[in-house]
Amino acid sequence: AQSVTQPDIHITVSEGASLELRCNYSYGATPYLFWYVQSPGQGLQLLLKYFSGDTLVQGIKGFEAEFKRSQSSFNLRKPSVHWSDAAEYFCAVAPVTGNQFYFGTGTSLTVIP
Amino acid sequence: DTAVSQTPKYLVTQMGNDKSIKCEQNLGHDTMYWYKQDSKKFLKIMFSYNNKELIINETVPNRFSPKSPDKAHLNLHINSLELGDSAVYFCASSQASVIGDYNEQFFGPGTRLTVL
Repeated sequence: AQSVTQPDIHITVSEGASLELRCNYSYGATPYLFWYVQSPGQGLQLLLKYFSGDTLVQGIKGFEAEFKRSQSSFNLRKPSVHWSDAAEYFCAVAPVTGNQFYFGTGTSLTVIP
Repeated sequence: DTAVSQTPKYLVTQMGNDKSIKCEQNLGHDTMYWYKQDSKKFLKIMFSYNNKELIINETVPNRFSPKSPDKAHLNLHINSLELGDSAVYFCASSQASVIGDYNEQFFGPGTRLTVL
């Protein structure tokens, strides 16, 4: 069965520090991979997605993610965090066929001054 | 312009009542979804409709009935509300997926349902 794991429930970083949010998936074949961000009281916004090709994907708001097939991982990174990045971050996978998403449990990011 | 909109944003009701949540998308997408996000922020798909036809129906109590009057709307009706139905419900839409050409989902702002 497919699953998505985000091992870190909550992360706190200082403003200006670098950030890495972890995501691991379990799936029979390489799925499509996504990162979404949910600001407080808001819906989900797509940060970036990986379908194929270059394993380093650039997204909006200065985020990037790297797909590592050998580790079944798709970690999200940002070199310098801003206070406005405080939010809930969700990793999601989708099978190559069909259009169903499977979300991880989310990582809550707190940014301190 | 709001791409995916939901009404109401907040819904507080008593156990046993029947309520509906409406969703509309103006993106011209063929596929729409309902997700439930519980108190631990876990997001789980409930239903998916493609061109008004049900294509995904996860294990959801039959008290939940989606209705799609046209491909731009997917409403969620809930009968006999229970305490455990309290959650945030998100609507989403995407273009119909074609093998090898996945289209992202666009989410609405959510409806926070509280059952007392």
